[in-house]
Amino acid sequence: AQSVTQLDSQVPVFEEAPVELRCNYSSSVSVYLFWYVQYPNQGLQLLLKYLSGSTLVESINGFEAEFNKSQTSFHLRKPSVHISDTAEYFCAACETSGSRLTFGEGTQLTVNP
Amino acid sequence: DAGITQSPRHKVTETGTPVTLRCHQTENHRYMYWYRQDPGHGLRLIHYSYGVKDTDKGEVSDGYSVSRSKTEDFLLTLESATSSQTSVYFCAISDWQSSYEQYFGPGTRLTVT
Repeated sequence: AQSVTQLDSQVPVFEEAPVELRCNYSSSVSVYLFWYVQYPNQGLQLLLKYLSGSTLVESINGFEAEFNKSQTSFHLRKPSVHISDTAEYFCAACETSGSRLTFGEGTQLTVNP
Repeated sequence: DAGITQSPRHKVTETGTPVTLRCHQTENHRYMYWYRQDPGHGLRLIHYSYGVKDTDKGEVSDGYSVSRSKTEDFLLTLESATSSQTSVYFCAISDWQSSYEQYFGPGTRLTVT
């Protein structure tokens, strides 16, 4: 079984500032890693995923995450945030041989003007 | 967006009453999942299904049952609702070829008084 820990429950930042949302995982087997975003009163949307290959993965709206196997981390970054990035972000892991996702507790990103 | 609907979207019920939530998909995906979302806990898996009439328990299955008689429908039943089951419930689906990549419905907010 795996576990996922998001190190910050809330991250307030100003518009156009850089942001990093931290995620660590623990697993005895290989895992796939994901970031999901949840806007208010909506379901979760897949933001980006790491399956294999390049350890740096990017989303279409400027977010990126880097898989670091030695530190068992998958932190999410964006160099310049917008008001519209305000949402809750969830890190998740899945064993490569399975289909069950394990989620972290979530990080509320609030972008202030 | 994946074709997933949940009904009802909001429900208030009294302790001890039975409640059934419905998830309907139009994607013909093999896997379906029920999660609950609570502050500080992220999303936790209740039950999942890997085919018609094939279901299994997740990490918080006590007090819940599920049924899947058709590919497109996955029902979650609270036999006797308790206040601890007040939560937001999400359904998700995934295909057998990439079963780790899940798509979420809009959620059902359930309040048990």
